[in-house]
Parts: sequence; structure tokens; C-alpha cells
Amino acid sequence: GEDVEQSLFLSVREGDSSVINCTYTDSSSTYLYWYKQEPGAGLQLLTYIFSNMDMKQDQRLTVLLNKKDKHLSLRIADTQTGDSAIYFCAETPGAGSYQLTFGKGTKLSVIP
Amino acid sequence: EAGVAQSPRYKIIEKRQSVAFWCNPISGHATLYWYQQILGQGPKLLIQFQNNGVVDDSQLPKDRFSAERLKGVDSTLKIQPAKLEDSAVYLCASSLDWGASSYNEQFFGPGTRLTVL
Repeated sequence: GEDVEQSLFLSVREGDSSVINCTYTDSSSTYLYWYKQEPGAGLQLLTYIFSNMDMKQDQRLTVLLNKKDKHLSLRIADTQTGDSAIYFCAETPGAGSYQLTFGKGTKLSVIP
Repeated sequence: EAGVAQSPRYKIIEKRQSVAFWCNPISGHATLYWYQQILGQGPKLLIQFQNNGVVDDSQLPKDRFSAERLKGVDSTLKIQPAKLEDSAVYLCASSLDWGASSYNEQFFGPGTRLTVL
């Protein structure tokens, strides 16, 4: 079955770049997503990448996809204290499938 | 545009009691999802509705969990009777339509935090 793995914690200083990594097992994944969850709130879609892309940039966010290694990363440039949250990697397997499979989440702590 | 609304935000019950959660999706969204998020885990899909029909309930523990979306808008998730391991955040999400594309932007509500004592 599908499996999505993430490291659980990341701590960075304000102004530095953060890199959150994710690995997945389903080679037929079509879309991969990054969601952000702040305390007491639901999940918010940050960005996504289609599986035929290697990179996607959106303001401070850069998503890199290595399909051969089934590795996805999210880079946040100039990390701010407001970026402190839990970040979830998720995938949609196979064409025509709708279901999102989430990782356990990476808790990002930004030190002022 | 109003987001996904859920109530209550918090609920504490004793084991073997019953509980119900309510969700109002974003207006016009045909697809509604209920997720269970246990502390330290990612959300796990319990059930998906397309309008008022069930698309997938394969991970719903049907001996104790039930859900309905009678008019294709609001939805209710019920647990009866609750067990200690049901303690979790129950998230509702909605999307326009899951359709033929795998791109699936789901909009999440704030969740209901359930504690079973």
C-alpha cells in the first residue's frame, strides 16, 4: 500500500532556509502536496506539484521532486516565526484516484 | 468566501457514550470528506461523500461509526459507543468535485477535538 514518510521535527533560526523532506512509495503518484497545520487549525494547502515536474517555485516556497528516488522536499526561504507549524506531505495515487495519503507531519520550530 | 465549518470544536465524553460531529462544507462543493487525526499522525480518511452518496467508506469502523449527508450539503459523523482509542481530532474537508482528475484541492475545517475518558 501507499506510505509517506517524513522526519518529525525541524528547528531553524529566523531568516534561514528550512528544508522539509518526504519520501513516498507509490510510483504511480500523480500529484504531491504540501499542507500546513497551525495549532488548533485545520490543514491549509501550501503548494502542490504534478509528477511530471521536477521543481515548482511559489514566492518563498520551492518544491523539488525526484521521482526516481520518490523524494519530495519543501524549501522555505527566509523562514519567519509565522512559519512555525506542522507540515504534511501528501500524495494522490494513480490516475483517477482521489484519495489523499498523508505523512505523519514535520513540526517546524523557528527560533527568533 | 466562508470556509468549512465544524462544531463542536471540543468534546469530552466517557467511553461507551455517543457523540456526533457536524460539518458544513464550502458552498457549491460536491465532495465532502471526514478524516480522523490521532495525535502525532497525519489525517486518515474515514469516509468520502459525493453529493449525498458514499464514494468510499472502506476505513470507517462501521460497527461504531456512522455518517450521513442526507441533502448533499451538511454532514454528521457519529460514534456510538465511543472507545478510548477514538480520542482524536476529526477533520471535515470539502472539494469542488473529485471528477476525473487526480488533482484534488481539499479545504479543511478547524476540526473537532474528541477526548474519550
